[in-house]
Amino acid sequence: DVKVTQSSRYLVKRTGEKVFLECVQDMDHENMFWYRQDPGLGLRLIYFSYDVKMKEKGDIPEGYSVSREKKERFSLILESASTNQTSMYLCASSFGTGEGHTEAFFGQGTRLTVV
Amino acid sequence: DQQVKQNSPSLSVQEGRISILNCDYTNSMFDYFLWYKKYPAEGPTFLISISSIKDKNEDGRFTVFLNKSAKHLSLHIVPSQPGDSAVYFCAASAMTSYDKVIFGPGTSLSVIP
Repeated sequence: DVKVTQSSRYLVKRTGEKVFLECVQDMDHENMFWYRQDPGLGLRLIYFSYDVKMKEKGDIPEGYSVSREKKERFSLILESASTNQTSMYLCASSFGTGEGHTEAFFGQGTRLTVV
Repeated sequence: DQQVKQNSPSLSVQEGRISILNCDYTNSMFDYFLWYKKYPAEGPTFLISISSIKDKNEDGRFTVFLNKSAKHLSLHIVPSQPGDSAVYFCAASAMTSYDKVIFGPGTSLSVIP
């Protein structure tokens, strides 16, 4: 059974703090993704990685960075948290066929509140 | 500009009837489409998919229809059950963009007993 685990379900951080969101998958997937979910906007892609140390910007990368030092772990970093980054953050992973034809498996989400 | 649109934010259906969730897309490069279901406080789970070479895919109570000329797809749930109450996301990807998947805003389905 595929498991994608996000380190925290809920986080409260102060404006200006550096925030780390961690994600681990146990299925040896090549691809990993970070999305944020906001009402009326669906899931918007922040960054994705198709291999260790490889990353690509998604649709809304501003204010975020990522790190993938090991295949199973993908970290999302908020360099200086702001209130408009209050959101639900979802990590996902998938097999890497390079053909865009695979389903993604999601973690349970991290509800981040920036105050 | 949203590439994947779900114009109905919510939908209510009686138990046992058909639920039809609609999705439109603008990017003609999309060639694979997926539906995900999300319960509150959980991550989305994959439901069903369809390749652009097909116009229909069926899995039990769930059927997805694709109309490429209209850039439109729909998810049919028959019969609807109260456990189907969730948010449904339409998603799309293109062969040329690795495995990047673009999601729509979601439709919240309520199945009334």
